[in-house]
Amino acid sequence: DAKTTQPTSMDCAEGRAANLPCNHSTISGNEYVYWYRQIHSQGPQYIIHGLKNNETNEMASLIITEDRKSSTLILPHATLRDTAVYYCIVRVEAGTGTASKLTFGTGTRLQVTL
Amino acid sequence: ETGVTQTPRHLVMGMTNKKSLKCEQHLGHNAMYWYKQSAKKPLELMFVYNFKEQTENNSVPSRFSPECPNSSHLFLHLHTLQPEDSALYLCASSHRGDRWGYGYTFGSGTRLTVV
Repeated sequence: DAKTTQPTSMDCAEGRAANLPCNHSTISGNEYVYWYRQIHSQGPQYIIHGLKNNETNEMASLIITEDRKSSTLILPHATLRDTAVYYCIVRVEAGTGTASKLTFGTGTRLQVTL
Repeated sequence: ETGVTQTPRHLVMGMTNKKSLKCEQHLGHNAMYWYKQSAKKPLELMFVYNFKEQTENNSVPSRFSPECPNSSHLFLHLHTLQPEDSALYLCASSHRGDRWGYGYTFGSGTRLTVV
């Protein structure tokens, strides 16, 4: 699976949009971009994923560049409860009969402040 | 609750003890995973089970012994651990191949302290 590069930490004021970048310049054509987050001492939580089109759900938006070498996770109105480590992961969808692996890096620690 | 339940939430054990961690999911998933998260380190994948069959062991020491009796339950048996094994142990489940695209569902973890 392709490696990703994320900033170590970011700050965001409550109520503002949080834009978390991720670089995945070696991504392959069949690799998806996934975002998870981990609130302190809890298990990681799925946020969103995409292949090449921009995606939006109730939690966030995912913007993937046209060349797919980078993406940005957008939390439109950050709250204090969004303070967490955010992981950008790229991985292949496994074929029938195999379980696909999810490999975590060090992520971005987002601190939302008043 | 995420649908993946881990027990106990906290465990303190001596180096000569034997204990087991339990993970249970009723999401209809058929792949299950054990991860280890040490302080200030990324999550490390330990074991992968696909339809009760172990498909991956990432060079985990034999003092950690997984067991998957069915697609809904996963255990991690612990014996003669070392203090450096103290960590948050996370269980996750997913659909085989994750064709539904919703990724993994994680439990809240077991915080293990070896004394």
